[in-house]
Amino acid sequence: AQSVTQLGSHVSVSEGALVLLRCNYSSSVPPYLFWYVQYPNQGLQLLLKYTSAATLVKGINGFEAEFKKSETSFHLTKPSAHMSDAAEYFCAVSPSSSNTGKLIFGQGTTLQVKP
Amino acid sequence: DAGVIQSPRHEVTEMGQEVTLRCKPISGHNSLFWYRQTMMRGLELLIYFNNNVPIDDSGMPEDRFSAKMPNASFSTLKIQPSEPRDSAVYFCASSPRTGSNSPLHFGNGTRLTVT
Repeated sequence: AQSVTQLGSHVSVSEGALVLLRCNYSSSVPPYLFWYVQYPNQGLQLLLKYTSAATLVKGINGFEAEFKKSETSFHLTKPSAHMSDAAEYFCAVSPSSSNTGKLIFGQGTTLQVKP
Repeated sequence: DAGVIQSPRHEVTEMGQEVTLRCKPISGHNSLFWYRQTMMRGLELLIYFNNNVPIDDSGMPEDRFSAKMPNASFSTLKIQPSEPRDSAVYFCASSPRTGSNSPLHFGNGTRLTVT
């Protein structure tokens, strides 16, 4: 069964510092991977997705993620955090063979940005 | 593009009452998903539809839960009778096409409180 594990339910960084949110997946077939962001009292918004075209994926708001098959990881990074990045971030997996669009989400990581 | 529209935004009801949550997907999207979000269990997929047909309802917790999609522009999630443990944020999401790499577009959710 496919699953994702997000290491660290809370991450705190200073404004301007590097953001690193960790995600490891488990999938028996090559997966599609996604990062979503959720701001308070809102739904989830797509940040970026990996669909095997390129291992380094650039998303919105300066975020990017790198797919590493050997490490079964898809960590999310941003070189310099802004206060507006404070939110909850979800990693999600969809097996490429399923063709259903069904996503399995991780437990989420809350990013706090300190001034 | 108005996005996925959910109503109501907040619902407070007493145990035993019937609750109906509503969702209008983005026009032209042919897949619709209902998710539930709680602190304890994170985001759980309840059911999803393709072209108005329920495909997988294995995530529906009990027979008290039912979902319908009478046409391409409307879906309901009904809980009857409601219980306090149903308290959660319920999200509806739609996707433009069937496929594992197709991102989901989420509504802002309905926060349900059952007392």
